[in-house]
Amino acid sequence: SQQGEEDPQALSIQEGENATMNCSYKTSINNLQWYRQNSGRGLVHLILIRSNEREKHSGRLRVTLDTSKKSSSLLITASRAADTASYFCATDDGSGYSTLTFGKGTMLLVSP
Amino acid sequence: DAGITQSPRHKVTETGTPVTLRCHQTENHRYMYWYRQDPGHGLRLIHYSYGVKDTDKGEVSDGYSVSRSKTEDFLLTLESATSSQTSVYFCAISRLSGEENTEAFFGQGTRLTVV
Repeated sequence: SQQGEEDPQALSIQEGENATMNCSYKTSINNLQWYRQNSGRGLVHLILIRSNEREKHSGRLRVTLDTSKKSSSLLITASRAADTASYFCATDDGSGYSTLTFGKGTMLLVSP
Repeated sequence: DAGITQSPRHKVTETGTPVTLRCHQTENHRYMYWYRQDPGHGLRLIHYSYGVKDTDKGEVSDGYSVSRSKTEDFLLTLESATSSQTSVYFCAISRLSGEENTEAFFGQGTRLTVV
């Protein structure tokens, strides 16, 4: 079963614009993570936010977490063509083994 | 790429044959995972390991087995490959920081086609 569900499934923007992706999940979590996947490559970790945190920043990335709504958002500011990729949210339910449940991802296309 | 090597990177095999995929890490991380990625499903956990000889099943473990005889190696075996196991397989590793697990680092993936 899919824990995280990203929205939208696909997003097309121009360079310089901001991109916002949302993720909803169903059960309680220990932390929520965002990953990027370039075409044909493995996943790269972007940012981790713990259940007791509400917002986190890393460079051009801003992640929010609302545990009452079981949702998270990833904001990429001033997008670049190199940001073109698929973005996945993944939840860690705190079982102690850091097994992740992934959503189906958002495909982001940033045009020059 | 954080010290994770998957082999082979591509494989075509026939239905009914056994297949073994290898994941090798140089990070000495305790936790290792096998996920599969299919269109419309994202990544799903097949099996994971929390130490040498310590493994457990994930969401989609039927038809797969794993072994971990050394910290650095985690093997995924398809006992008798079926077309439904055509997929891209990713190995991942993770560590403990203090008492909390941290982010996962992924290999480049193995594209397996069962014909």
